[in-house]
Amino acid sequence: DAGVIQSPRHEVTEMGQEVTLRCKPISGHNSLFWYRQTMMRGLELLIYFNNNVPIDDSGMPEDRFSAKMPNASFSTLKIQPSEPRDSAVYFCASNTGSNQPQHFGDGTRLSIL
Amino acid sequence: GQQVMQIPQYQHVQEGEDFTTYCNSSTTLSNIQWYKQRPGGHPVFLIQLVKSGEVKKQKRLTFQFGEAKKNSSLHITATQTTDVGTYFCAGRRNTGFQKLVFGTGTRLLVSP
Repeated sequence: DAGVIQSPRHEVTEMGQEVTLRCKPISGHNSLFWYRQTMMRGLELLIYFNNNVPIDDSGMPEDRFSAKMPNASFSTLKIQPSEPRDSAVYFCASNTGSNQPQHFGDGTRLSIL
Repeated sequence: GQQVMQIPQYQHVQEGEDFTTYCNSSTTLSNIQWYKQRPGGHPVFLIQLVKSGEVKKQKRLTFQFGEAKKNSSLHITATQTTDVGTYFCAGRRNTGFQKLVFGTGTRLLVSP
């Protein structure tokens, strides 16, 4: 079975550019999560969706970050404009609902120069 | 807001030694999950604990949930080099939607 699929795996871009990260959750999973991982701040929840609806976006750092889930099989996390402090590994995860294990994708390693 | 701290931050052991990581929450949890992240990898679910005082075992790994449901521990008996990685606990509060708060993680290094 396919797991959570994220793209790209690596992204290097200059500050000020728009960055779009993509995620395909596991089929049948109705909850999707975006996390950011850094050495300094650890693993932080940015936003999560339930049945394609954003439930909690309190972890989104600022207005430069936005996330969408237009359908059950696709989500994007966009940063515009990007800044060097956005450099991190961004993970997408999905599960079938409350109290269920979260399945993580391989992550996108983002470097903003 | 809710905070979940883990100690130690880092531990280096010789293969065959035991290892324990402790997880402490500032608030009472409804349940707690444990994940393992290999270097360069992504977090992988290990187990979930729900009941006060619950103890679960997976081969050499023993997981415990505190009586007050504010702390948890993971103990590995006779570590192996395959145990290398960072271990995270993740807790969910009694209230609110299914938001998990991940702990700070304990990085384990095992030397052969």
